[in-house]
Formats: sequence, C-alpha cells, structure tokens
Amino acid sequence: DTAVSQTPKYLVTQMGNDKSIKCEQNLGHDTMYWYKQDSKKFLKIMFSYNNKELIINETVPNRFSPKSPDKAHLNLHINSLELGDSAVYFCASSQSRTGRDTQYFGPGTRLTVL
Amino acid sequence: DAKTTQPNSMESNEEEPVHLPCNHSTISGTDYIHWYRQLPSQGPEYVIHGLTSNVNNRMASLAIAEDRKSSTLILHRATLRDAAVYYCILLAGGTSYGKLTFGQGTILTVHP
Repeated sequence: DTAVSQTPKYLVTQMGNDKSIKCEQNLGHDTMYWYKQDSKKFLKIMFSYNNKELIINETVPNRFSPKSPDKAHLNLHINSLELGDSAVYFCASSQSRTGRDTQYFGPGTRLTVL
Repeated sequence: DAKTTQPNSMESNEEEPVHLPCNHSTISGTDYIHWYRQLPSQGPEYVIHGLTSNVNNRMASLAIAEDRKSSTLILHRATLRDAAVYYCILLAGGTSYGKLTFGQGTILTVHP
C-alpha cells in the first residue's frame, strides 16, 4: 500500500494554463505539506496544513492555492503557470507537527511548463 | 531553524561503514536532529532522528556529540542502494510546525 500518493506523476503544460496536483495519504496523519524541488535540487517547503487548517505559507505566489478537503488529502492548484514553476513537487505527511515527528514523502510530480 | 553544515560529497565502497558528519553549532536545547535521504528520482525518505542520546534503527545509527553541536550518521555496511543525498536537519521541539529546512546535503557515492 502506498502511504503518500500523488497524481499525476508527470505534468507537461503550456504557460498560462491552470493545473492541479493531488495528494492523498492513508497513514491517518493530521499534518500534510507541499515542497518544491527546483532544477538546482534545492527542496523548499511551500505549505503545511494541520487538520485541514493552513499553518505554513512560505511566501509562495498567490497563483498557488492549496486545498485540503479532508485530513487525508491536500491538493495544489496553480493558476497562470509560468516557466519558473517547472520543478518537482513533493507532498508529505506527518502524525503531527512537533519536532520529533517523521515526515513521509510522496514520489513527486514533475511539472514542466513550456 | 538552526543551520547545519555538511560536506558536499563523500565516497564509500560497498559493504564498508560510512560516517556522514553534520555540524550544528547553534543548536538549541530542544532541537531534534533529523536525517533524511533522497535517492535519485525519488522523494526524500526518513532515516533517523534523535535528541540527546545515540539512536539505532534498522537503517542506520545516529551518534550525537555530548555538547550536541555535531552528529554523525552511520551506515554500518553501505550498499549500492544507499547512494543518495543525505540531509541533516534540525527541528525545534514542541509545536515547530514541522518545517523541514533542507540544505545542500551530502552526496554519497558508493562504489562496487
């Protein structure tokens, strides 16, 4: 069973389009995250939700809007895609948000904006 | 979050032990030391974490200096599958919001 799953695995689209990436975790965790890994391989947190409530928003452009319909899902919607949005996006989850919690990552979604 | 310093790269031979160092001289008393790794084309994977005492699990051991200003991840017998980027990350205790701040990590190459 996949603990944290993301769809799609690959996404190729044109500039200006709107796209969504879905994430689901079956671990019963309360906290979920979105991370972005750019072409230089730096991983950076974008958002975090705890019990469907937004708790971290790391100066991400307004074109990015996370949505958590329930504790098991955290989707990422991106409006008006730009070339710089090309990256690998990882979803993760943890039991809670303390310093000792382990995060479980999904396989990533490689977004290419043409 | 406090900053960590790791070597850019290390090399090892298969079936030999590997010691990956991490310096965190500005660590605070409640910071947990976490290690994650990222295999090629995969998401990061949890390896181990600790607070003050040395820790062992099925994947690795974590040796924490007495003053907690440094730590070492130990892979007891490296395999080709252990070739990855290893990240040492500090997370504040309590409700830290779980914000993992990844640095550049250490690229581990394992030779057959």
